[in-house]
Amino acid sequence: SQTIHQWPATLVQPVGSPLSLECTVEGTSNPNLYWYRQAAGRGLQLLFYSVGIGQISSEVPQNLSASRPQDRQFILSSKKLLLSDSGFYLCAWNGRGHSNEQFFGPGTRLTVL
Amino acid sequence: GQNIDQPTEMTATEGAIVQINCTYQTSGFNGLFWYQQHAGEAPTFLSYNVLDGLEEKGRFSSFLSRSKGYSYLLLKELQMKDSASYLCAVQDSNYQLIWGAGTKLIIKP
Repeated sequence: SQTIHQWPATLVQPVGSPLSLECTVEGTSNPNLYWYRQAAGRGLQLLFYSVGIGQISSEVPQNLSASRPQDRQFILSSKKLLLSDSGFYLCAWNGRGHSNEQFFGPGTRLTVL
Repeated sequence: GQNIDQPTEMTATEGAIVQINCTYQTSGFNGLFWYQQHAGEAPTFLSYNVLDGLEEKGRFSSFLSRSKGYSYLLLKELQMKDSASYLCAVQDSNYQLIWGAGTKLIIKP
């Protein structure tokens, strides 16, 4: 069966510090991978998605970046965090079929102080 | 622009039935998803509709009318564990998901 891991679960970082969140998927190959951010009481905002190694599409201009160094690894980074980067970060995957539902990791709650 | 509308919050009684509505305006349509999200947790998949009509899965059913840009999620025999947010998401012409803000469902004994 497929599983998706995210870490860390929670993170408190000062403004201006760097960020690295990691997501890995097991039990599948060549997945589509997604990074979302969810502000409190809000819907999901798609940040990045990837259809393959080294292929990253950005949906929203911001100070975040993403990388996919391996087939089942997706990393979200920032060089300098802003207060507005606080939120719940979710990684998700789905298979190649267009109607496939997305499966989410447990999420990382980031607080920037 | 693309827009998904859901009520912000609903309250229902344990054992009752509740209907959560979702209306959408998107650039293209390739299916509609409903997800459940408990507080502090990740969303989990509930249902998928791409053709008009009702899809039933146990206590949960989802309905779609593409001509009206409308869907609802019907929850029967409500249990306390159904207290959660319910997210509506539409897959647009690029097969990307556009998400609603979610409906917080409060179940009272």
